[in-house]
Amino acid sequence: KAGVTQTPRYLIKTRGQQVTLSCSPISGHRSVSWYQQTPGQGLQFLFEYFSETQRNKGNFPGRFSGRQFSNSRSEMNVSTLELGDSALYLCASSRLAANTGELFFGEGSRLTVL
Amino acid sequence: DAKTTQPPSMDCAEGRAANLPCNHSTISGNEYVYWYRQIHSQGPQYIIHGLKNNETNEMASLIITEDRKSSTLILPHATLRDTAVYYCIVRVEDAGGTSYGKLTFGQGTILTVHP
Repeated sequence: KAGVTQTPRYLIKTRGQQVTLSCSPISGHRSVSWYQQTPGQGLQFLFEYFSETQRNKGNFPGRFSGRQFSNSRSEMNVSTLELGDSALYLCASSRLAANTGELFFGEGSRLTVL
Repeated sequence: DAKTTQPPSMDCAEGRAANLPCNHSTISGNEYVYWYRQIHSQGPQYIIHGLKNNETNEMASLIITEDRKSSTLILPHATLRDTAVYYCIVRVEDAGGTSYGKLTFGQGTILTVHP
């Protein structure tokens, strides 16, 4: 069974640009969540999608957005990149069943903003 | 979700049991205790979770105190590959499924297993 796949794994952008990251969840998983990890702030929740709808959102500016497609694949976009957006962006999927709140994480996309 | 407190770092000898404590003194009755770990440069990995009974799986055991205010993750025979950051997370598990994807991570415990 394939795990959560994130692309690209590494990318470099410059300030002011925008970036789109992609996440393919485990087959059959309908919930996809995104996290940002930085040395200073640790792992922080960005947002969660289920059935193409955003259900939860963390405390991030509107430059951070996402969407989910009908096949449960998800993308997140960061516009007008800032140096502080350099981070590891992690995607996680879940089966979404009661008392099985295990999240399966991908390897992440490491973004460097110059 | 309840706040958790973990020691910033711990050491363990290879082959010995690693006991990682977590304090969650403000936990509510419907909140579960979850443990995840993150090996360097990888995504977090689920280890185990429980409500009030002790739990065991192929990776670890989870011991939750009777008052549920603290718990201990036990890796029975630690190996070098168990060196990682271990996160204790407390969260509500609701049948409505409104927050399955949201985990609140603290700073975790850096476990170093040495030969």
